[in-house]
Amino acid sequence: TQLLEQSPQFLSIQEGENLTVYCNSSSVFSSLQWYRQEPGEGPVLLVTVVTGGEVKKLKRLTFQFGDARKDSSLHITAAQPGDTGLYLCAGRGAGSYQLTFGKGTKLSVIP
Amino acid sequence: ETGVTQSPTHLIKTRGQQVTLRCSSQSGHNTVSWYQQALGQGPQFIFQYYREEENGRGNFPPRFSGLQFPNYSSELNVNALELDDSALYLCASSLEGFGSTDTQYFGPGTRLTVL
Repeated sequence: TQLLEQSPQFLSIQEGENLTVYCNSSSVFSSLQWYRQEPGEGPVLLVTVVTGGEVKKLKRLTFQFGDARKDSSLHITAAQPGDTGLYLCAGRGAGSYQLTFGKGTKLSVIP
Repeated sequence: ETGVTQSPTHLIKTRGQQVTLRCSSQSGHNTVSWYQQALGQGPQFIFQYYREEENGRGNFPPRFSGLQFPNYSSELNVNALELDDSALYLCASSLEGFGSTDTQYFGPGTRLTVL
């Protein structure tokens, strides 16, 4: 069974601060996705990374896939209140239809 | 382009009852996946339907069953409801359902409470 562990589970920071969220596994994934979920809504895809060592940037968000494709990180620069939400990582094994999600990191950005 | 829709939004049932949840896929998508998200947890994969056939199932008992219709809309049925079935049920549609870069588009979910 493939498992994804996210840390930290909760994060409360002031507006303007930087933060990093981690997603780790002992399994290799062919791809890893990051989602953001707001209360009462379904997750919304932010990014997909597929190559070991890959780095993708989405405005103030930077996503990295580990060289061994077992881990990933999400870094947010100068966090804003609009970044508040539940951040989920999800991995897919080679040839698999199944997405395995982590438990999520609940981020609160205080104005 | 219409996104993924789910009905109902909220539902309250009692233990032992049966429930049917519905999902309409995004236009052009032939694959639907269902997930259970308990409070404080990430979504857990229940099963996936591709062109009306179940093509994958997670670690859920047989009382969780589903259907996909010719228009690619889908139903999730849960029999003999248990208290632990209380959760947000999400459906997600995609073009093919597999492949490293397949993108799933999630609906807003149905909040099921079992008393």
